[in-house]
Amino acid sequence: EIVLTQSPGTLSLSPGERATLSCRASQSVRSGSLAWYQQKRGQAPRLLIYGASGRATGIPDRFSGSGSGTDFTLTISRLEPEDFAVYYCQQYGSSPPVTFGQGTRLEIK
Amino acid sequence: QVQLVQSGAEVKKPGASVKVSCKASGYAFTAYYIHWVRQAPGQGLEWMGWINPNSGDTNYAQEFHGRVTMTRDTSISTVHMELSRLGFADTAVYYCAREKWVDTSMLFDSWGQGTLVTVSS
Repeated sequence: EIVLTQSPGTLSLSPGERATLSCRASQSVRSGSLAWYQQKRGQAPRLLIYGASGRATGIPDRFSGSGSGTDFTLTISRLEPEDFAVYYCQQYGSSPPVTFGQGTRLEIK
Repeated sequence: QVQLVQSGAEVKKPGASVKVSCKASGYAFTAYYIHWVRQAPGQGLEWMGWINPNSGDTNYAQEFHGRVTMTRDTSISTVHMELSRLGFADTAVYYCAREKWVDTSMLFDSWGQGTLVTVSS
């Protein structure tokens, strides 16, 4: 089973700052298998990034994804007030087919 | 537009079963797998399994083998997830999500609103 470890657990930043979220896999992940989701309190997750770097429909270009192998990064270039939420990485593999990271909480400093 | 609408909140006693439904609209129901993901209070996302609405084939996470059953009713574009022998640890919000492929990338592009299942004596 591929385990995804996200860091940091909590990130405290101010609007306008740059956020860098990490997702590390216990073994190599095919880049096409790595996605990022945003979840706000009381809401379902929302797809942000797929295939490690592809931006989903309607996602602002301040969100970007990068990485390969075992290290992936979600970057928010300039934080807006609505970006403060929890972020999850997710991979699609063989067994089990789907695993999620434990999440990074992005909070207002 | 693509929509997944789930059934309402449930309260169950330990040892009981719960059945949550997810009604799809806005797309060809049998063309996309549906996955179930749950989230315990204050916790992260946990994948439970998927169902192929076309064939009815399923694949369950090991942790739920023997307790979870996913079915579909193509006449009403609905998938169901039934979880048996409920324990307090099964208290969670249960989500259905549509699997989509873009080139070689798998993603969940649409999610239900979530169904809170509370296990309480």
